[in-house]
Amino acid sequence: SQTIHQWPATLVQPVGSPLSLECTVEGTSNPNLYWYRQAAGRGLQLLFYSVGIGQISSEVPQNLSASRPQDRQFILSSKKLLLSDSGFYLCAWSRAATGNTIYFGEGSWLTVV
Amino acid sequence: QKEVEQNSGPLSVPEGAIASLNCTYSDRGSQSFFWYRQYSGKSPELIMSIYSNGDKEDGRFTAQLNKASQYVSLLIRDSQPSDSATYLCAVSSMNSGYSTLTFGKGTMLLVSP
Repeated sequence: SQTIHQWPATLVQPVGSPLSLECTVEGTSNPNLYWYRQAAGRGLQLLFYSVGIGQISSEVPQNLSASRPQDRQFILSSKKLLLSDSGFYLCAWSRAATGNTIYFGEGSWLTVV
Repeated sequence: QKEVEQNSGPLSVPEGAIASLNCTYSDRGSQSFFWYRQYSGKSPELIMSIYSNGDKEDGRFTAQLNKASQYVSLLIRDSQPSDSATYLCAVSSMNSGYSTLTFGKGTMLLVSP
């Protein structure tokens, strides 16, 4: 069966510090990978998605970036965090076909202070 | 801008009653529709998917889809206190030839014993 792991689960970072969130998927190959953010009082916002190694599409311009160095690894980064980057970050995957179900990781709570 | 609209709630129902959750979407080209349940502080988990007009039943849950009206709903029969959560409606949309999900902000359901 497929599993998705995301870490760290929680982190508190000062404004201007860097960020790195990691996600790995097991039990499948060539998945579509996603990063979503859920801010207080807002819905799930798609930040990045990837259909293959090195292929990243950005949905929202911001100070975040994503990379996919391996088939089942997805990384969300920032060089300098803003207060507005606080939120619940969710990595997700789906099979490489249109309209397929998205499955979420456990999520990472980020508080920028 | 593709949108998915849900009443934020909370929707309060007594234990054993039927809970009815509704969702409308703007993209007439959407083909896949999903309901996720999200407990407070946790990541969303899939409840049901529906692709064709009509009803789809799975245990106590029934999803209903009406593409002409751009409307999808979720019925929960014999509601239990453990069903208290936020329910997210998600609709597929195409981005540069790839399918991604757009989420509503969710409806909070409270089931009282």
